[in-house]
Amino acid sequence: NAGVTQTPKFQVLKTGQSMTLQCAQDMNHEYMSWYRQDPGMGLRLIHYSVGAGITDQGEVPNGYNVSRSTTEDFPLRLLSAAPSQTSVYFCASSLGVYSGNTIYFGEGSWLTVV
Amino acid sequence: AQTVTQSQPEMSVQEAETVTLSCTYDTSENNYYLFWYKQPPSRQMILVIRQEAYKQQNATENRFSVNFQKAAKSFSLKISDSQLGDTAMYFCAFMKHRGGAQKLVFGQGTRLTINP
Repeated sequence: NAGVTQTPKFQVLKTGQSMTLQCAQDMNHEYMSWYRQDPGMGLRLIHYSVGAGITDQGEVPNGYNVSRSTTEDFPLRLLSAAPSQTSVYFCASSLGVYSGNTIYFGEGSWLTVV
Repeated sequence: AQTVTQSQPEMSVQEAETVTLSCTYDTSENNYYLFWYKQPPSRQMILVIRQEAYKQQNATENRFSVNFQKAAKSFSLKISDSQLGDTAMYFCAFMKHRGGAQKLVFGQGTRLTINP
């Protein structure tokens, strides 16, 4: 059971470039989300999805797009990378929107924008 | 909006000692969940313990226990018989109980070092 898988683990981008961070889960989880972690801070919610075809914004959505065409995948797109988007990105999933469900995190993707 | 505050940026104790990490939060909700996550150098987010606000009994998980004071909006983590493997960043997090998405709100973290 792979759990939540993120790719790539490390990426360096130039300012203005676009890229997609991939996230896949094999647990048939309805709920998926993306967080970013900046130095010295906790994680902050970027976007989330409560099921295929449904997405919504979190706390810090600007500069990012998401889509959820399948239950398994929830990619995060950086449209025009900026140095302020240098961060560690975490994908997470859980069985459903009931708050008691455990949230499982991926191992993180380190992104540097130069 | 909910906020979570961890007032101890760093802590350091000797192996086998007991250590308590502090967390306070601000919310107008009555029902919610509180969590402690551990983040070792690998950056993996690992759930340590969770507390449901409507339960008065403090949660425990082996060497980890919490002191949940709902009126004071305080949620501290106690680690007993600390081990070298407990060295990590620890994050306190809040989640509303009802309605829609599971949105975790994290504190800034406490870096805990266990010394041999």
